[in-house]
Amino acid sequence: LAKTTQPISMDSYEGQEVNITCSHNNIATNDYITWYQQFPSQGPRFIIQGYKTKVTNEVASLFIPADRKSSTLSLPRVSLSDTAVYYCLVGSPSGSARQLTFGSGTQLTVLP
Amino acid sequence: EAGVVQSPRYKIIEKKQPVAFWCNPISGHNTLYWYRQNLGQGPELLIRYENEEAVDDSQLPKDRFSAERLKGVDSTLKIQPAELGDSAVYLCASSLRDRDIGELFFGEGSRLTVL
Repeated sequence: LAKTTQPISMDSYEGQEVNITCSHNNIATNDYITWYQQFPSQGPRFIIQGYKTKVTNEVASLFIPADRKSSTLSLPRVSLSDTAVYYCLVGSPSGSARQLTFGSGTQLTVLP
Repeated sequence: EAGVVQSPRYKIIEKKQPVAFWCNPISGHNTLYWYRQNLGQGPELLIRYENEEAVDDSQLPKDRFSAERLKGVDSTLKIQPAELGDSAVYLCASSLRDRDIGELFFGEGSRLTVL
């Protein structure tokens, strides 16, 4: 299983764009990159998933360079409600190898 | 559509007592996961079910933990006897196999405190 490395914490201000980078040097060919968000006293919530290049949805963008050894979650114009822990996961979707391993995550604090 | 439902939300017990957690996944989801989350850490997978079959239980401490998923729907996770180190949040998640590859839907969790 590919191990991921993320910053422990980040601070930002309301209205700014936040970029959280995740390193996954040992990513396998079949692995996808997935990001989750977790608020206190709640389970993690899926944000976005990608395999290569760029993926965008209504809440975030995910940038994956050609070598796929890292990825960057981009949150546009954050608000106070975006304060949460963000997890980067790398895993294979196929059969018994499908397993999602959470690291310690990045605590994002959005300040007014 | 109802999400993943877990109960109880909170449980306080003394060490050596048994405890059980229940999970009702999203209707139609054939894959069910149990995770344990310690304070300040990410969730750790305990067991994964495909329908009623446990396909990955390598991280489940089998001396005191057990799980079942009868009829491939609801699941229970049991600890007997509980130890102080079992204090954590136990999260249940479900997904559709071979679809939405990384999208797990989590419940709110069951917070266990062992005194």
